[in-house]
Amino acid sequence: KQEVTQIPAALSVPEGENLVLNCSFTDSAIYNLQWFRQDPGKGLTSLLLIQSSQREQTSGRLNASLDKSSGRSTLYIAASQPGDSATYLCAVSTGNQFYFGTGTSLTVIP
Amino acid sequence: DAGVIQSPRHEVTEMGQEVTLRCKPISGHNSLFWYRQTMMRGLELLIYFNNNVPIDDSGMPEDRFSAKMPNASFSTLKIQPSEPRDSAVYFCASSLGENTIYFGEGSWLTVV
Repeated sequence: KQEVTQIPAALSVPEGENLVLNCSFTDSAIYNLQWFRQDPGKGLTSLLLIQSSQREQTSGRLNASLDKSSGRSTLYIAASQPGDSATYLCAVSTGNQFYFGTGTSLTVIP
Repeated sequence: DAGVIQSPRHEVTEMGQEVTLRCKPISGHNSLFWYRQTMMRGLELLIYFNNNVPIDDSGMPEDRFSAKMPNASFSTLKIQPSEPRDSAVYFCASSLGENTIYFGEGSWLTVV
């Protein structure tokens, strides 16, 4: 069974810093990997989707990379802002199934 | 599209009562998922449907939990009887194939 791990569980950084969130998975046979953001009291919002054939995806200040062979993905956030404070989850898809990590809670301090 | 729509958004019920959560997936999506989220266990997949057929219900915790999808635009998750340990946020999500999965805003359940 696919297992997804995210480290660290929580992260606190001063505003303006660049940061990296990590996601690892045990089975490299994936279709894609997604990064989500969850604000308190809300559902999950998809940030970036990387297909298994891709190495990275970018959206604004966000850049996600994927190394299937090593079972790792990173989410890079440039010039962090207080509005980036949220929980970030990664999920891998193995067809119709999605496996989620436990998330990294990010706090950006003004 | 309005996105995945869940109801109720919040429910407080007494132990032993029946709880029914409802979900309307995004039109055209062929997969529907029910997840439960708690602080202790994170996001857990309870069951998912493909083309209205339950494919994997191994995540359903007990026989007290049941889910149905009578048509492509509606699904229910029922808990009967409810217990305090069922208190959690229940998310419905839908997708088309292995593309992006979209989540509803969740149903916040408190069983007292």
